[in-house]
Amino acid sequence: QSVLTQPPSASGTPGQRVTISCSGSSSNIGGTPVAWYQQFPGTAPKLLIYSNNQRPSGVPDRFSGSRSGTSASLAISGLQSDDEANYFCGTWDVTLHVVFGGGTKLTVL
Amino acid sequence: QLQLRESGPGLVKPSETLSLTCTVSGGSISSSSYFWGWIRQPPGKGLEWIASIYSGGSTYYNPSLKSRVTIGVDVSKNQFSLRLYSVTAADTALYYCARDGRPIENWFDPWGQGTLVTVSS
Repeated sequence: QSVLTQPPSASGTPGQRVTISCSGSSSNIGGTPVAWYQQFPGTAPKLLIYSNNQRPSGVPDRFSGSRSGTSASLAISGLQSDDEANYFCGTWDVTLHVVFGGGTKLTVL
Repeated sequence: QLQLRESGPGLVKPSETLSLTCTVSGGSISSSSYFWGWIRQPPGKGLEWIASIYSGGSTYYNPSLKSRVTIGVDVSKNQFSLRLYSVTAADTALYYCARDGRPIENWFDPWGQGTLVTVSS
């Protein structure tokens, strides 16, 4: 059972905008920036978003993040087949230190 | 370009100690302002952070694993390590090392390719 709650799956068609949620509490998301990771099968996670809404160099601006209260969201616009992957949120928790969400498998229909 | 690579046995017997090393290239652990961490992922499951260490030796651990884990650093070799004691089948996972953005930020980047450790007799 992950401390941060994500939907196990999400889907969309090419060109569509999809959103993945990450729900936490005042002990984590409510007080600390959130990061998002993208993981393709058989590969290591890659940092996609940090500080709630910042993109590392090289990450397309189709990917965006936001945080409101004790929840965060990752939005992917102009969905592409290459975006099919698992997405994880992560942040700091005052008691548990580093915590992650259980991950969301994104399917491009 | 900073790169990390995990190494260690792929098979560990139950009750024994899992030992892994992460070698950092393209940058110096000792001159970095960041921590360095270990994260694991059981097959088909989510991510679990294990521990992180600073070049100066400061550490922080996942409270649920703290009693069984030691993280270390060897700046002369530009490596950091993980020891997990008294392993069980539940410790079977892909183990990743990564640069930990703390104390400045909350992120892990980049990650090593990961190494699969199976606990089995």
